[in-house]
Amino acid sequence: EAGVAQSPRYKIIEKRQSVAFWCNPISGHATLYWYQQILGQGPKLLIQFQNNGVVDDSQLPKDRFSAERLKGVDSTLKIQPAKLEDSAVYLCASSSLPGRVIFGQGTRLTVV
Amino acid sequence: SQQGEEDPQALSIQEGENATMNCSYKTSINNLQWYRQNSGRGLVHLILIRSNEREKHSGRLRVTLDTSKKSSSLLITASRAADTASYFCATDLNNAGNMLTFGGGTRLMVKP
Repeated sequence: EAGVAQSPRYKIIEKRQSVAFWCNPISGHATLYWYQQILGQGPKLLIQFQNNGVVDDSQLPKDRFSAERLKGVDSTLKIQPAKLEDSAVYLCASSSLPGRVIFGQGTRLTVV
Repeated sequence: SQQGEEDPQALSIQEGENATMNCSYKTSINNLQWYRQNSGRGLVHLILIRSNEREKHSGRLRVTLDTSKKSSSLLITASRAADTASYFCATDLNNAGNMLTFGGGTRLMVKP
């Protein structure tokens, strides 16, 4: 099966700039996740969608982060404005039935 | 806060030896999953063990789960240099929601 596609793979921006990441989940997967992984740590869930509805966004810094899932398929995650501490890998993942979650390769964001 | 915590944080072994990584968690779970992450890459699903299972095998991998101790272990037998990676346990608290909470990971280095 085709994997979870993410773009871009790398992004370098200055603090206070805006950035957006895109994710295309596996076809037919109703659940989509965005995780933030800071270097040396495990992934932290930012937001979970079920189709185009939000299941959990309790750890999403809503003052600067936003996410949407268009028509229950693709998703974008935006940061505006970025801070130095936002430097991390942003992982998108999807799943169908409860169980295995498939991850994309991630977008490595560096904020300078 | 992280639900799962891996132990040790880092492990260095010789090729051919066995590697054991442990994971402890805090609350009741529906299932526990182990993932591997090579440097700079996405997470790869290794194995899922449900709360009513005690042991599961997949190739050179053996996972155990002790719900009374809220702990799991991942054993990699006859390790290879290609097994060098970070290994994460992730707990699924809500089987219907399939929401994973990751630990900090064990960084495994297998020396040829």
